[in-house]
Amino acid sequence: GAVVSQHPSWVICKSGTSVKIECRSLDFQATTMFWYRQFPKQSLMLMATSNEGSKATYEQGVEKDKFLINHASLTLSTLTVTSAHPEDSSFYICSARDVMQGDNQPQHFGDGTRLSIL
Amino acid sequence: GQNIDQPTEMTATEGAIVQINCTYQTSGFNGLFWYQQHAGEAPTFLSYNVLDGLEEKGRFSSFLSRSKGYSYLLLKELQMKDSASYLCAVKDSNYQLIWGAGTKLIIKP
Repeated sequence: GAVVSQHPSWVICKSGTSVKIECRSLDFQATTMFWYRQFPKQSLMLMATSNEGSKATYEQGVEKDKFLINHASLTLSTLTVTSAHPEDSSFYICSARDVMQGDNQPQHFGDGTRLSIL
Repeated sequence: GQNIDQPTEMTATEGAIVQINCTYQTSGFNGLFWYQQHAGEAPTFLSYNVLDGLEEKGRFSSFLSRSKGYSYLLLKELQMKDSASYLCAVKDSNYQLIWGAGTKLIIKP
């Protein structure tokens, strides 16, 4: 149980393109999902917390207009990287927590999306 | 500020035992997690500690001392597939996860 599906796994696109990444909880409901970014050989950096039915909470330094987050249902959150540039190339990972479980339960991670902007 | 410290890299031999330490300074404490992350993949959950003491799960064990702000992950009977980064994460008073930078573990034959 507790499977999180992230799509796509790989994206290679030209500079200026907007890219949408989907994160789905397949067998549980998630009122909260988390979006992380990870550069090579570095740890996870939380970008934003996605709340179902309300606006996302962004971490300091993360541009809201650049990284659009939508959490329209209890099983789906999307991250759109708008007008992507080479410096946005990174590994993007989502995670979710089962709404039925307590705060001591781990986050369940998607497999990540490797984004390469040419 | 909030801070989690782990060694950057460790090397160990196949079949041996290795201990990865994690010290933390956070605003409140609501549990400590250890995750394993292979290169290019997402993290996978290994263990959770909220009370002092040792939690054992097969070849992996995790220890916590809240008074010392200290935890370790103990890996026994090391296998080559254990080569990965190990991430320590603490849940603070707001139940936000604070992540360490990770420890890259290299296993040699």
